[in-house]
Amino acid sequence: DQQVKQNSPSLSVQEGRISILNCDYTNSMFDYFLWYKKYPAEGPTFLISISSIKDKNEDGRFTVFLNKSAKHLSLHIVPSQPGDSAVYFCAASEGRDDKIIFGKGTRLHILP
Amino acid sequence: GAGVSQTPSNKVTEKGKYVELRCDPISGHTALYWYRQSLGQGPEFLIYFQGTGAADDSGLPNDRFFAVRPEGSVSTLKIQRTERGDSAVYLCASSLRGSYNSPLHFGNGTRLTVT
Repeated sequence: DQQVKQNSPSLSVQEGRISILNCDYTNSMFDYFLWYKKYPAEGPTFLISISSIKDKNEDGRFTVFLNKSAKHLSLHIVPSQPGDSAVYFCAASEGRDDKIIFGKGTRLHILP
Repeated sequence: GAGVSQTPSNKVTEKGKYVELRCDPISGHTALYWYRQSLGQGPEFLIYFQGTGAADDSGLPNDRFFAVRPEGSVSTLKIQRTERGDSAVYLCASSLRGSYNSPLHFGNGTRLTVT
């Protein structure tokens, strides 16, 4: 059973516009959420995180929003740039349990 | 500084053979993780070490898989009697302590192909 779900396998966005990547989770015990970015032939790299005590965290062009009641989080990238083309993974962990569970990923294409 | 290093980067082996995959974490990182990523999937948790001990090995698929970290630094993932279904990219990650509020730093992975 998928505890972290990314229902859009791919997304195309015009350069300069906003990219919104969505993620849903089923485990109500998750209290820490992360986004990772992955280029081909490289390991995932950490992008941004949010703890369940917050509903928003911003870092430069990247903002993560958390809606605990809906068990939903999203990553906003604005403005989108060509280098943002990659696979984005949503991930979550449960309190003291240090195991991080990943979604299947969304491939983002930034169009010129 | 140096990141997480995984060797080899590629490994091709025949069905039934034994393989070892090595991970050198970032110096000073006490937590080390192994994940497996199959095509079109996200990283799948295998095992997590805190220091020398396995804190959580619930993701190991069966007893053909085993991992060690004898001195709390380098780790080796061992797969016995490999099967074609074991073909995947095996990712190692480390963090300064447990993952809570301390993001994982991943290596580039070892691509294992079982023929």
